[in-house]
Amino acid sequence: DTAVSQTPKYLVTQMGNDKSIKCEQNLGHDTMYWYKQDSKKFLKIMFSYNNKELIINETVPNRFSPKSPDKAHLNLHINSLELGDSAVYFCASSQDPAGASTDTQYFGPGTRLTVL
Amino acid sequence: GQNIDQPTEMTATEGAIVQINCTYQTSGFNGLFWYQQHAGEAPTFLSYNVLDGLEEKGRFSSFLSRSKGYSYLLLKELQMKDSASYLCAGGVTYKYIFGTGTRLKVLA
Repeated sequence: DTAVSQTPKYLVTQMGNDKSIKCEQNLGHDTMYWYKQDSKKFLKIMFSYNNKELIINETVPNRFSPKSPDKAHLNLHINSLELGDSAVYFCASSQDPAGASTDTQYFGPGTRLTVL
Repeated sequence: GQNIDQPTEMTATEGAIVQINCTYQTSGFNGLFWYQQHAGEAPTFLSYNVLDGLEEKGRFSSFLSRSKGYSYLLLKELQMKDSASYLCAGGVTYKYIFGTGTRLKVLA
């Protein structure tokens, strides 16, 4: 059983296109996150959601729109893709929001997005 | 501001002990976490510290000094499979802040 799953694993697309990445967790966690890991392997928070509500938007361009239909899912839609969006995107979840407890987070396998 | 620093790269020999340092300048960290990330894979949790001191988990130990803004991850009896990136992260309100990561190469 995969705890946190993401689809697709690889995504290759042209500049200007719109694409979505899906994430699901079966851990019963209340909090989910999206991270971007660039070519230098720096992992940066993009969004935090708690009980389907957005709690952190880390100055991400509004071309990125997360959606949480329920606690177990957090999808990421990206409009008008740019070359600089090429990265690995990780979804993660934790029982409580970061800072509220010492719960660790569990990561999905990542989606490698390449914009041509 | 919130900043976490780690050495970029380290090299060690199989069977040895290596210490990976992490320094941070921030307030309000609820805990200091260490993750391992193999190339092409997701980060996986290794250890965390809430209070000052040493936490030991098998071959891995992590240390925290809040007053000094300093943590380290100690890996003993290094194995080839320990070649990976090691990420230090602090939990603040609603998010985790990650360090730049340390790429560890274990040589035979």
